[in-house]
Amino acid sequence: NAGVTQTPKFQVLKTGQSMTLQCAQDMNHNSMYWYRQDPGMGLRLIYYSASEGTTDKGEVPNGYNVSRLNKREFSLRLESAAPSQTSVYFCASSVFLGGQETQYFGPGTRLLVL
Amino acid sequence: TQLLEQSPQFLSIQEGENLTVYCNSSSVFSSLQWYRQEPGEGPVLLVTVVTGGEVKKLKRLTFQFGDARKDSSLHITAAQPGDTGLYLCAGARNNDMRFGAGTRLTVKP
Repeated sequence: NAGVTQTPKFQVLKTGQSMTLQCAQDMNHNSMYWYRQDPGMGLRLIYYSASEGTTDKGEVPNGYNVSRLNKREFSLRLESAAPSQTSVYFCASSVFLGGQETQYFGPGTRLLVL
Repeated sequence: TQLLEQSPQFLSIQEGENLTVYCNSSSVFSSLQWYRQEPGEGPVLLVTVVTGGEVKKLKRLTFQFGDARKDSSLHITAAQPGDTGLYLCAGARNNDMRFGAGTRLTVKP
């Protein structure tokens, strides 16, 4: 049981390049999330998917697109990377336990846009 | 401005000391969670508090939810180097969860 896995772990892009961040979970969770973490800003939600086939915008969706490929996989795409997108990106999945939502996070992808 | 303000931003103490970190907001939350994040890893959930005034204990960690459900505190007794990490609070309201920026704790042996 690997939990939430993310690839790649590190990436350097030039401004204008595109890339896709991959996320997969093996816990059979319905909900999945993409966050970015910046110093002094905490975790901010980019997009989420409440179930397979649905996606919704979070707090900071501009410049990103997502795909919920199946129940296990949720990818985040940067079509034209900008330096402002330099950040650490975390994927998470969640389950309700005892009436409360518990999120499980992946190890993160560190992205530098030059 | 952050919806959830955490203080202090940084804290460095000696092993064996006690400490309290805070998570404050002007908004009311249906629940509040505390996470610990170690370098190079994702956050890991420590606890969820739901009821105003609720106190939960996890070994040497004590979590309290404010009576008005706007704030929370985390108290660590006899801190150990293994407690080193970034402590994040997250508040849930209207199916939306918002995170604070965190308190970075260093416990020196």
